[in-house]
Order: sequence, then C-alpha cells, then structure tokens
Amino acid sequence: DGGITQSPKYLFRKEGQNVTLSCEQNLNHDAMYWYRQDPGQGLRLIYYSQIVNDFQKGDIAEGYSVSREKKESFPLTVTSAQKNPTAFYLCASRQADYGYTFGSGTRLTVV
Amino acid sequence: GQQVMQIPQYQHVQEGEDFTTYCNSSTTLSNIQWYKQRPGGHPVFLIQLVKSGEVKKQKRLTFQFGEAKKNSSLHITATQTTDVGTYFCAGYYNQGGKLIFGQGTELSVKP
Repeated sequence: DGGITQSPKYLFRKEGQNVTLSCEQNLNHDAMYWYRQDPGQGLRLIYYSQIVNDFQKGDIAEGYSVSREKKESFPLTVTSAQKNPTAFYLCASRQADYGYTFGSGTRLTVV
Repeated sequence: GQQVMQIPQYQHVQEGEDFTTYCNSSTTLSNIQWYKQRPGGHPVFLIQLVKSGEVKKQKRLTFQFGEAKKNSSLHITATQTTDVGTYFCAGYYNQGGKLIFGQGTELSVKP
C-alpha cells in the first residue's frame, strides 16, 4: 500500500538536544511538507519542499532544519534552538491538484 | 499575511442534528480543501473545491465555495457519532504554493 511513514510515533527530547523525525513516502509525490500541531490549534507550516534538493521555510521555521536529498525522504531536525518543541508533528506529501496525504505523526515531548 | 479563519472552534450537537462550520479568507483563494481529523489521529483529505460558487456533496456532507472564492462552508446533515472529530479547512494561494490551515472546528456528537 502506498503511504507516508513517520517515525518514531513518540519521542522524548532532553533540554539542549537535537532530534530528527523521519518521514518517508512511497507515493512518488514531488512535494512534501512538515506541519506542527499544538493542542486545540490548527496546523502551522514549518518547512516544505516542492522538488528534490530544494526546500523553503514555512511560517515557523526557526529552530528547525530539513533536507531533501531523495524524493522519498524529508527528515525534520528539531534543534536545541527551538525553545518550545513539545507538539504533534505531521508530515505530508502532495501530487499536483489534489489534497495532502498525511503520515500518522510524531508526538515530541521535552523532558 | 495570508490567513484562514474558521468558526466555530467547538460545536456540541445531539445525534441527528445538523452541523455547519465556516471558513473565511481575507484574500482570494486558488482553491480550498477540507480535512477531517479523528481524536488521536491525523488529518484525512475530504475534498477540494476550485470553482467560484462550487457545491459538492459526499453523502451527508455538503461543501460550498463562495462566489468570491474567499469563503467556504461544510454542512453535515443528521450527524452521527462517527462524525466526531475536528474539521479543518485549508486555503491554497497561488503565491507561495502552500496550504494555509484554519484553526479547525471540533465536533462532538452526543448519542
């Protein structure tokens, strides 16, 4: 079955630590996205990539970094510069003129 | 900047009652999409509206796109407990190629 796989499902980060969230898709979609969701709020765009080896900052990119070396993969690193990283992180992909397909998400908690 | 406002934030209904959520953008949208997120889950794409004044139906769900392509609504007729979740609208703007999500409407249905 085609889809998006995010891992891990739950992640705990210590203060000052960088962590990387994995996102892999086998849908052959060109565009991929990372969103952050806080309780009771909508989705806010962190980074997006419309093609391999290219990506753009979204609305809340500070404290995050990404790479897009392969079409299938779009990992997100939450750096120590992100002061409030506890949230639900969603990865999505899209083929032109259609809706987004989301992964099942990663819940990140700072301990 | 580009922003999509969605109301209400919460809606509690008795099973069998109707439900409507509204979205509004300050600028013209290229298209609007609707998603449903079940509690603890990830957003799932429902539909995309592209044309001015467009109306689409999916069983008990009716989606409308305003004539000016600045607002949209989702109406559910005779709600069921399976309709529980948060409904998000998301506006796509020609500039920037990114989807902007509304804050979502959380629907609870009392049997």
